[in-house]
Amino acid sequence: GAVVSQHPSWVICKSGTSVKIECRSLDFQATTMFWYRQFPKQSLMLMATSNEGSKATYEQGVEKDKFLINHASLTLSTLTVTSAHPEDSSFYICSAREWGAGGNQPQHFGDGTRLSIL
Amino acid sequence: GESVGLHLPTLSVQEGDNSIINCAYSNSASDYFIWYKQESGKGPQFIIDIRSNMDKRQGQRVTVLLNKTVKHLSLQIAATQPGDSAVYFCAETPNTGNQFYFGTGTSLTVIP
Repeated sequence: GAVVSQHPSWVICKSGTSVKIECRSLDFQATTMFWYRQFPKQSLMLMATSNEGSKATYEQGVEKDKFLINHASLTLSTLTVTSAHPEDSSFYICSAREWGAGGNQPQHFGDGTRLSIL
Repeated sequence: GESVGLHLPTLSVQEGDNSIINCAYSNSASDYFIWYKQESGKGPQFIIDIRSNMDKRQGQRVTVLLNKTVKHLSLQIAATQPGDSAVYFCAETPNTGNQFYFGTGTSLTVIP
């Protein structure tokens, strides 16, 4: 159980293109989804927390207009990198969290999207 | 702010030996802890978790130990296999809110 699907897994595109990444919880409802960015050999860097039906909460230093997040349903959140440039090239990972009756629940991660901007 | 760190950035073990990966945390309010395994090019995979009212929890070949007195968390992998080679992250979160804090990560290499 607790499967999170992230699509696409790899994107290569020209500078100036906008790229949309989808994150779906397949077998549970996720009231909260998270978007991370990860550089090589480094830990996860939280970009934003997305709650279903409300605006995302962005971490300090993350441009809201650059990284658009939509969480329109309990099973889908999207991250759109607008007008992407080479410095936006990175590994983007989403996660979802289900609130269980027992209290704290772990985040379950997608397999990431490798974004390469030429 | 909170910090969750690992004592060792890399660890090499012989196949069949036991592995121990350590993690220190600084937030006394943290009460839920998780270990993740991340293989190259993939997202982190949940391994095991533990709540602060416990000091030990066992899974299949893995054991997590929690020492709240010294704010220390460890992951023990029994009979380490080549498939265990990956980066391991600890994460902690307080009972309130959604914020998870991830450690730097330890790269485990299993030598055949």
